Amino acid sequence: NAGVMQNPRHLVRRRGQEARLRCSPMKGHSHVYWYRQLPEEGLKFMVYLQKENIIDESGMPKERFSAEFPKEGPSILRIQQVVRGDSAAYFCASSPNKGGGSNQPQHFGDGTRLSIL
Amino acid sequence: AQTVTQSQPEMSVQEAETVTLSCTYDTSENNYYLFWYKQPPSRQMILVIRQEAYKQQNATENRFSVNFQKAAKSFSLKISDSQLGDTAMYFCAFLRLEVGSEKLVFGKGTKLTVNP
Repeated sequence: NAGVMQNPRHLVRRRGQEARLRCSPMKGHSHVYWYRQLPEEGLKFMVYLQKENIIDESGMPKERFSAEFPKEGPSILRIQQVVRGDSAAYFCASSPNKGGGSNQPQHFGDGTRLSIL
Repeated sequence: AQTVTQSQPEMSVQEAETVTLSCTYDTSENNYYLFWYKQPPSRQMILVIRQEAYKQQNATENRFSVNFQKAAKSFSLKISDSQLGDTAMYFCAFLRLEVGSEKLVFGKGTKLTVNP
């Protein structure tokens, strides 16, 4: 059973460009979470999605950032007009049901390292 | 809002010895989960151990065990017989057990180095 798949592993963009990060959850998982890890920091929650629905986006910056999880295909985290401060590791996690708690913990992908030149 | 504090930015231990990583958290909730995640230099996030707050028994996974003190809001990780492969960042994380709240709250991490 394949784990959470994120691509690309590394992404380099110039300031002002768009970055698209993809996440395919584990088979059978319908809940996706995105986290951001700045250098020397822990992970910070960004957004929680189910198929075709954003459930909690309380951690998303108000501008330039958006996320979707369509009926078919991977979840996408999109960052428009990137700036240097967007450089970070972006992790996706999935769980089979709401909560991602002890019995069904959130499983993480390997992350996408975004570098802004 | 919940907060998680890891007061030891860095620690080191000799191979085969035991080390304990500290974690405290702040919450008014009664039901929640606590986790320790490991992030090796490869940067993956690997679940090490988890604890349900309503369970009094401390969780154990092979060489990893926790000391969960609910009243003190403390959740330390003990690694026995440390191995070189244990070298990594270790993150403590909190999850509320409540409908509508599904986000993990992480501490800033402790960098553990196991020396040969």
